[in-house]
Amino acid sequence: DVKVTQSSRYLVKRTGEKVFLECVQDMDHENMFWYRQDPGLGLRLIYFSYDVKMKEKGDIPEGYSVSREKKERFSLILESASTNQTSMYLCASSFAGTGYYEQYFGPGTRLTVT
Amino acid sequence: RKEVEQDPGPFNVPEGATVAFNCTYSNSASQSFFWYRQDCRKEPKLLMSVYSSGNEDGRFTAQLNRASQYISLLIRDSKLSDSATYLCVVNIGNYGQNFVFGPGTRLSVLP
Repeated sequence: DVKVTQSSRYLVKRTGEKVFLECVQDMDHENMFWYRQDPGLGLRLIYFSYDVKMKEKGDIPEGYSVSREKKERFSLILESASTNQTSMYLCASSFAGTGYYEQYFGPGTRLTVT
Repeated sequence: RKEVEQDPGPFNVPEGATVAFNCTYSNSASQSFFWYRQDCRKEPKLLMSVYSSGNEDGRFTAQLNRASQYISLLIRDSKLSDSATYLCVVNIGNYGQNFVFGPGTRLSVLP
């Protein structure tokens, strides 16, 4: 079974703090993704990475950065947390290449910024 | 027009009912198609990949119509445990990098 794990299930941070969310997958997937999910807005892509040290902006990258130093690990960084970044953050991974490659999600981190 | 649209829901059905969800997509470069289920405050979990010939897994049947850019999910003999939000997901292009999610359709199966 594919396993995607995230460092925290729940996190409470103060405005202005730097926040690190970590994601690890054990299936040697090339692609990894960070999404946020808010009521009524669905899943929105923040960043994705298709290889070590490679990244692409998604739909809402402002206020976020990412790091992928190892294939299995993809980190999301909130440089200076703000209350509008309170959300559910979901990490996902998938194989690359042609064919039918599903995306697998971690359990999510529910972040509250006060 | 949104790239992936789904029935707005919610669907409230009695146990044992058959329920069908519809999904349309707008990008003709879409290559692969999936249904995920998401329970409240949990992550999306893959329910089925949707193959061009249609596929069935127990009580669940998925259909794809590329010409009409339409995907469906049929659930037969609904169980209380089927209550969840069902997400239609489309992968555009190759390389598994561009997944577009529908807004989801919420299903409540009532006793």
